[in-house]
Amino acid sequence: SAVISQKPSRDICQRGTSLTIQCQVDSQVTMMFWYRQQPGQSLTLIATANQGSEATYESGFVIDKFPISRPNLTFSTLTVSNMSPEDSSIYLCSVEGGLFYEQYFGPGTRLTVT
Amino acid sequence: RKEVEQDPGPFNVPEGATVAFNCTYSNSASQSFFWYRQDCRKEPKLLMSVYSSGNEDGRFTAQLNRASQYISLLIRDSKLSDSATYLCVVIKTGANNLFFGTGTRLTVIP
Repeated sequence: SAVISQKPSRDICQRGTSLTIQCQVDSQVTMMFWYRQQPGQSLTLIATANQGSEATYESGFVIDKFPISRPNLTFSTLTVSNMSPEDSSIYLCSVEGGLFYEQYFGPGTRLTVT
Repeated sequence: RKEVEQDPGPFNVPEGATVAFNCTYSNSASQSFFWYRQDCRKEPKLLMSVYSSGNEDGRFTAQLNRASQYISLLIRDSKLSDSATYLCVVIKTGANNLFFGTGTRLTVIP
C-alpha cells in the first residue's frame, strides 16, 4: 500500500480564517479523495480529486468552501475556507490502491476552530 | 435510509472470547465490501476485503450475504490489541467512493 503523509497533523484556527491541508503520496496515483470525520462520527467523502481536472464534490460540499488542488499525481491540497466551529473535524486524504478499489488513508489533520 | 448501518456497540468482551459484528447495506448494486479498523485518534486501516465466498485471515473471518445485504466479521480468541472501532465499508457499482458505517466499538477486557 502507498505511504501517505499529511500536513499539518493538527491545528487550532480562529473562525473566519482558512487552512490548507497538504497530502503527499509516495507513488503516482490517479485518484485522491478527501474525507471529513466529525467528532464521534464516521467518515464522509468531501470530494474526489483527479490530476488535471476539477475536483468532483459530494452533495453538501462546495468548491468555494473546500477548494482542492491536484497539481500532479503525488500531491493534493484541501483548503477549508472561512472556517467556523462547525468545521472542527479530522480531515483525511486517501488513495485507491487495490484489486477491489480499497483505499488507504493518510494520518489525518485534526482541525479545531475557535 | 443510511447506505451502511452497524450496531455502534460498545462490545465489551473478555480476552479469548469470540465476537461477531454485523452490518447491513442498502444498495443492492454494491460491488465491494471491506472491514476497516480505526484506533482512537488514528486513521482507518484496511483490515480485510470481504469476498462473495467468504474469507478468513487468521483469527478474522468475513462473510457476505448478498441476498440479505449484510456483511459480518467474526473475531476468534480476542486479544487486548483487538480493541478498536470496526468500520463496515461498501463501494457502490459505478462509484469510486467508500461508504462507511458509523463503526462498532470493541473493547477486549483482560
